Amino acid sequence: DGGITQSPKYLFRKEGQNVTLSCEQNLNHDAMYWYRQDPGQGLRLIYYSQIVNDFQKGDIAEGYSVSREKKESFPLTVTSAQKNPTAFYLCASSTRTGTPYEQYFGPGTRLTVT
Amino acid sequence: AQSVTQLDSHVSVSEGTPVLLRCNYSSSYSPSLFWYVQHPNKGLQLLLKYTSAATLVKGINGFEAEFKKSETSFHLTKPSAHMSDAAEYFCVVSWKTSYDKVIFGPGTSLSVIP
Repeated sequence: DGGITQSPKYLFRKEGQNVTLSCEQNLNHDAMYWYRQDPGQGLRLIYYSQIVNDFQKGDIAEGYSVSREKKESFPLTVTSAQKNPTAFYLCASSTRTGTPYEQYFGPGTRLTVT
Repeated sequence: AQSVTQLDSHVSVSEGTPVLLRCNYSSSYSPSLFWYVQHPNKGLQLLLKYTSAATLVKGINGFEAEFKKSETSFHLTKPSAHMSDAAEYFCVVSWKTSYDKVIFGPGTSLSVIP
């Protein structure tokens, strides 16, 4: 089945540690996205990538980093510089051909930092 | 500037009664419009999308939405609520500039009372 996988589902870290969230897709989509979701709020864009080896900052990129070495993979690193990292993180992908550009979402990773 | 407003942060309906979730948008471009649903601790699932064809769009699980350009609205409706409809609903605006721009509304939490 085609889709997006995120692992792990739940992640716990101590303050000051970097942590990497995995996102893999087998939909052959060019574009991939990382969002952060806080309770009672909509999604906010962290980073996006429209093609391999290229990515752009979203609205809240500070304290995060990404890489896009393969079309299928778009890992997100939450660094110790992120002041409030506890949140639900969602990865998405979309095709860049045709309209509209609906996004397909993974199941999410809930990160708790104490 | 582009924006999405969901007029109700929370809606509560009785099982078997109609559902109305309201969405208004502001966009300088011709947007594509979507409704997504999110069940607790899950990723987002596409309910329906507007592609500038028919203004009345039918989606999954009996939901539909009507695009009204004069009112810049894209309200989501369902004739009869089911308990399984209880979830968070997001209205999303998307358009293509030099990249694929997407804005999520803040979400509406739907409760269904038995």
